[in-house]
Amino acid sequence: QQQVKQSPQSLIVQKGGISIINCAYENTAFDYFPWYQQFPGKGPALLIAIRPDVSEKKEGRFTISFNKSAKQFSLHIMDSQPGDSATYFCAVRGHYDHQGGKLIFGQGTELSVKP
Amino acid sequence: GAVVSQHPSWVICKSGTSVKIECRSLDFQATTMFWYRQFPKQSLMLMATSNEGSKATYEQGVEKDKFLINHASLTLSTLTVTSAHPEDSSFYICSAHLGETSGSGAPYEQYFGPGTRLTVT
Repeated sequence: QQQVKQSPQSLIVQKGGISIINCAYENTAFDYFPWYQQFPGKGPALLIAIRPDVSEKKEGRFTISFNKSAKQFSLHIMDSQPGDSATYFCAVRGHYDHQGGKLIFGQGTELSVKP
Repeated sequence: GAVVSQHPSWVICKSGTSVKIECRSLDFQATTMFWYRQFPKQSLMLMATSNEGSKATYEQGVEKDKFLINHASLTLSTLTVTSAHPEDSSFYICSAHLGETSGSGAPYEQYFGPGTRLTVT
């Protein structure tokens, strides 16, 4: 049972372009929606996260757009750079008290930014 | 702040032997740590949730007798892969969260370690 569906599986973007990665979830009990960046051979690192009471959050070149009614959220990377080339994972988390704070990850998107 | 370390970063062991992986929260106390497994080109799969001073909670399909988890202190959790076989070869990643944190971290935000590459020959 896939509770989080992430797309696309891979993405190639030219330097300076916009990278967009999408995630859809099924359970309305989720209350925290982070995005992680992972480089080969490394652990994932938190990039940006959003809670369902806001529709958008921006941090530098990274923006999360959140659509609660559609149960979808997306990551936008503006002015993409070759150094952004990595695998990106969306995740969802239920309320800590009820679900132990467990993260459920999407399938991942391998982003390649061409110079 | 909120740094998680793992040791070793990579390990090669022979089939049938056991290997222990350590996960430490370096600058905070972590009442809860999580262990993940990641195969090449795949997502992270949660193996178990480890709470300090109590038994770990394993996800469905994870053999608790094969993957022994001990959370002896607020800064250290260990994962022991017992009687390892080649199919256990994987990238093992731990994380820890700050609980109801103060500072810039979100409540219960998970901070990940750098991972341990296990190869069983």
